[in-house]
Amino acid sequence: GAGVSQSPRYKVAKRGQDVALRCDPISGHVSLFWYQQALGQGPEFLTYFQNEAQLDKSGLPSDRFFAERPEGSVSTLKIQRTQQEDSAVYLCASSLYAQNYGYTFGSGTRLTVV
Amino acid sequence: QKEVEQDPGPLSVPEGAIVSLNCTYSNSAFQYFMWYRQYSRKGPELLMYTYSSGNKEDGRFTAQVDKSSKYISLFIRDSQPSDSATYLCAMGGNTGNQFYFGTGTSLTVIP
Repeated sequence: GAGVSQSPRYKVAKRGQDVALRCDPISGHVSLFWYQQALGQGPEFLTYFQNEAQLDKSGLPSDRFFAERPEGSVSTLKIQRTQQEDSAVYLCASSLYAQNYGYTFGSGTRLTVV
Repeated sequence: QKEVEQDPGPLSVPEGAIVSLNCTYSNSAFQYFMWYRQYSRKGPELLMYTYSSGNKEDGRFTAQVDKSSKYISLFIRDSQPSDSATYLCAMGGNTGNQFYFGTGTSLTVIP
């Protein structure tokens, strides 16, 4: 597609519920990133994939967070047993290169845990 | 201390003004410097990308990097109401794959 597509755009979850957030990167992009953006803050790194390999997951805040990209294209970020502090916008970004170049973000999924 | 510090503003200027946005950082290993623009309820959009020190100009936008002072700037000339958005600085090093973002500066350009 023309850009990075994320779904759903908005998600309301009850505390304790599991959620799955989807990212469709730009076709052919090697690198894929997930970031978390709290209200009034800049994005914070969660995890990085190069093709299907998850090379860095140092930003995942707890073992309730899990990400995968099994075929090197679409990625899913899963959050188990959601808590109120998980409420944020989850941004996906992709880059053609496997290096530190600026990348293209999607519009994000706004997660609200009630 | 956060890796990247950015004044959140808000900043309000009249149309046509020159806008100066700034970030400071603490990690001397940072080599890649970017400015993103983020409209409400949208993802960040890459505006400028600079490697190492120096200046880069693109239309009405100029990015400056001073690594000796650990200070980066974005200048917007002839600001337009459509420039009203949050501007995020971001940076990274040669190792690792993540970028470190500032908190963003909210800019409003008044017609």
